[in-house]
Amino acid sequence: GDSVTQMEGPVTLSEEAFLTINCTYTATGYPSLFWYVQYPGEGLQLLLKATKADDKGSNKGFEATYRKETTSFHLEKGSVQVSDSAVYFCALRITSGTYKYIFGTGTRLKVLA
Amino acid sequence: NAGVTQTPKFQVLKTGQSMTLQCAQDMNHEYMSWYRQDPGMGLRLIHYSVGAGITDQGEVPNGYNVSRSTTEDFPLRLLSAAPSQTSVYFCASSSAQGTTNYGYTFGSGTRLTVV
Repeated sequence: GDSVTQMEGPVTLSEEAFLTINCTYTATGYPSLFWYVQYPGEGLQLLLKATKADDKGSNKGFEATYRKETTSFHLEKGSVQVSDSAVYFCALRITSGTYKYIFGTGTRLKVLA
Repeated sequence: NAGVTQTPKFQVLKTGQSMTLQCAQDMNHEYMSWYRQDPGMGLRLIHYSVGAGITDQGEVPNGYNVSRSTTEDFPLRLLSAAPSQTSVYFCASSSAQGTTNYGYTFGSGTRLTVV
């Protein structure tokens, strides 16, 4: 069935380090792919998305490219800040009639000053 | 610009009590859903709805009921609360319109404790 697999956390980085959070997926058809961010005590917020192969989503310095050949959607940021500390969720939206979302289990990022 | 509104924000229940978690959105979204979030388990889908009058079960529906009488509202009912239902509950909505392009808008969550 459809699924999303994320790297396990926590990921701990120093400020200004390069970030990669891996995400791979299994899906029938051509899903849209999303990254969401959850700050402490809050709901999830949409960070970026890509709706077809080779699309690059970007927002707030974060980027992810929809790679159909490797079924991946890895999240990257060139220089993280303490304020990026949060939990990041990879997700896909399936193309069947219900258009249901499938979420990964989340990756906690901690950035140290 | 309300988005998705969930009430209450916090609730403590005794085992066996029932209650309703409220969710309302003002974006005319067709698609609404309820998730629970537990430590180390990510988000698990409880129930979802693709439009008024249409609901379906997610992966963890037992102990919960939903209804969708209007586009705006999607309440979640706990029939007889159990300690295993202690969790943070999120409501989310999205446009569907025959495409997968739309992301979710989440509410701020309800933290439920069952004692």
